Amino acid sequence: EADIYQTPRYLVIGTGKKITLECSQTMGHDKMYWYQQDPGMELHLIHYSYGVNSTEKGDLSSESTVSRIRTEHFPLTLESARPSHTSQYLCASSSGVQGTSGGSTDTQYFGPGTRLTVL
Amino acid sequence: KNQVEQSPQSLIILEGKNCTLQCNYTVSPFSNLRWYKQDTGRGPVSLTIMTFSENTKSNGRYTATLDADTKQSSLHITASQLSDSASYICVVSDRGSTLGRLYFGRGTQLTVWP
Repeated sequence: EADIYQTPRYLVIGTGKKITLECSQTMGHDKMYWYQQDPGMELHLIHYSYGVNSTEKGDLSSESTVSRIRTEHFPLTLESARPSHTSQYLCASSSGVQGTSGGSTDTQYFGPGTRLTVL
Repeated sequence: KNQVEQSPQSLIILEGKNCTLQCNYTVSPFSNLRWYKQDTGRGPVSLTIMTFSENTKSNGRYTATLDADTKQSSLHITASQLSDSASYICVVSDRGSTLGRLYFGRGTQLTVWP
């Protein structure tokens, strides 16, 4: 069982509200990620971080923002939630070990996810 | 375009039976391929990882195969159990990326009936 936690697990909120999804890991991993997943669809990377004070946007454009002030903590914030933000948000972390053939062979460990519903 | 395609989209089998899930990919240059299991309402959990030099990897009742020439992989589940009911996701990583860019399939939803 991976030591990566997400809160809240479920969130129902009205349009226009500001929300923060929390993600914490106790494995000391440098790399952390946020994915968005709709039912029956693939995971899409929306943010990632190589370490403290490092944040990058992923492949899927997102109106959310992230911060990485501490190694173990990678919160995601939506300043003004909209119904289009309704989705499952998954946080992950990895140690960042590089494979000898190039690329990364380290395994990403996922949190349980936050199911967000914006009314 | 780098893509990962999985089939079937969904599968129902009886407890104790075997099944095989398929994954085709076009990711290049290829680094490695992972199979993840995702229970409903949970995050994915890694089952196996294979690099281009490996053609089979087992994890208990799960056996993954990889044919890097045809860019195909399969996940075979032996003697299925009710707890095997989940979505199985094929994930391919490209080479030469420090991030280890991952390409996700949409998953095969497996249901095991008693």
